[in-house]
Amino acid sequence: DAKTTQPPSMDCAEGRAANLPCNHSTISGNEYVYWYRQIHSQGPQYIIHGLKNNETNEMASLIITEDRKSSTLILPHATLRDTAVYYCIVSFHSGGGADGLTFGKGTHLIIQP
Amino acid sequence: DAEITQSPRHKITETGRQVTLACHQTWNHNNMFWYRQDLGHGLRLIHYSYGVHDTNKGEVSDGYSVSRSNTEDLPLTLESAASSQTSVYFCASSESRVGTETQYFGPGTRLLVL
Repeated sequence: DAKTTQPPSMDCAEGRAANLPCNHSTISGNEYVYWYRQIHSQGPQYIIHGLKNNETNEMASLIITEDRKSSTLILPHATLRDTAVYYCIVSFHSGGGADGLTFGKGTHLIIQP
Repeated sequence: DAEITQSPRHKITETGRQVTLACHQTWNHNNMFWYRQDLGHGLRLIHYSYGVHDTNKGEVSDGYSVSRSNTEDLPLTLESAASSQTSVYFCASSESRVGTETQYFGPGTRLLVL
């Protein structure tokens, strides 16, 4: 799996959009970008993933640059419950099996009241 | 609702003892994984399984073993617990489907080896 680079921590005011960047300059053509988050002491939670196009679901939006070397996770209206460590992961899953996810240290997002 | 559970949630054991951590999922997923997480670090893969009777070593498999006798369960065994295995252990599962690595994680087991 390709390596990702994320800032170790970020602050965001409650109610504002939280924009979490991720660099993945060595991503290969068939690797997806995944975002997970881990709220203190809990298991990681899947947020969103994408290949080339921007994606949106009920939790967040994922913006992937045209060259696919970086992406941004957007939480449109951050709440205190969004305080967590956010992991950006690139991975390819062939369907026949999975090699597991490679977690880095992620970004600790702190939502300020 | 489908879910993934782990037991026990907390465990204290002594060095040298054999310990088994349970993981049970009702998603009917073929793929199951065990990770460990140490303070201030991301998760590291211990073992994984693509299906019944299949097991594979991950990044940090030394001192651990798994067996897969059915789809729902992947127990993790520490053959002879060591203090270095004090950690939080997470189990996860996923579908076998091209293009998705969406894994569903359990709540974790906190293991303390004295």
